Amino acid sequence: DVKVTQSSRYLVKRTGEKVFLECVQDMDHENMFWYRQDPGLGLRLIYFSYDVKMKEKGDIPEGYSVSREKKERFSLILESASTNQTSMYLCASRYRGVTTYEQYFGPGTRLTVT
Amino acid sequence: AQTVTQSQPEMSVQEAETVTLSCTYDTSENNYYLFWYKQPPSRQMILVIRQEAYKQQNATENRFSVNFQKAAKSFSLKISDSQLGDTAMYFCAFMKSFEISNFGNEKLTFGTGTRLTIIP
Repeated sequence: DVKVTQSSRYLVKRTGEKVFLECVQDMDHENMFWYRQDPGLGLRLIYFSYDVKMKEKGDIPEGYSVSREKKERFSLILESASTNQTSMYLCASRYRGVTTYEQYFGPGTRLTVT
Repeated sequence: AQTVTQSQPEMSVQEAETVTLSCTYDTSENNYYLFWYKQPPSRQMILVIRQEAYKQQNATENRFSVNFQKAAKSFSLKISDSQLGDTAMYFCAFMKSFEISNFGNEKLTFGTGTRLTIIP
């Protein structure tokens, strides 16, 4: 079974703190994604990585950065957390190729910024 | 750019009944995939069913089936004999077909979701 894990299920941080959310997958997937999930807005892509050290901005990258130093690990960084970044954050991974399409999701991290 | 619209924020149905969740999308692409993902309360999101646009036959997976209308750009999910375990958020999603030039880096576009509650 594919497994995507996230470092925390719940996180509470203060405004201005630097926040690290980590995601690890165990299926040697090339592609990894960070989404933000908000009620009424669905899932919005923050950043995407298609290989080690490679990244691409998604639809809402402002206020976020990412790091992928190893294939299995993809980190989302909030350089200076703000209250409008309170949300559910979902990580996902997928093989890169012409015959694969299913994305596997982590359990999510519910981040509260006070 | 693609858009995916789910017009039913919430739905509820009695256990054992059939329910249909709606999804429409907008794209200029001819080749693409459509998906329904399920997110149970406090659990991980999982793929329920997928449809390739080039296939005319509607996809089915046990109690789950889709009604794919390519010309109308409609992709609804039907759940038959609904069970308590079907209670979840359901997301419709779109992805362009893989292109060699893009190295398989296509991304999903999600709808806003439908919260489905199965009533005992």
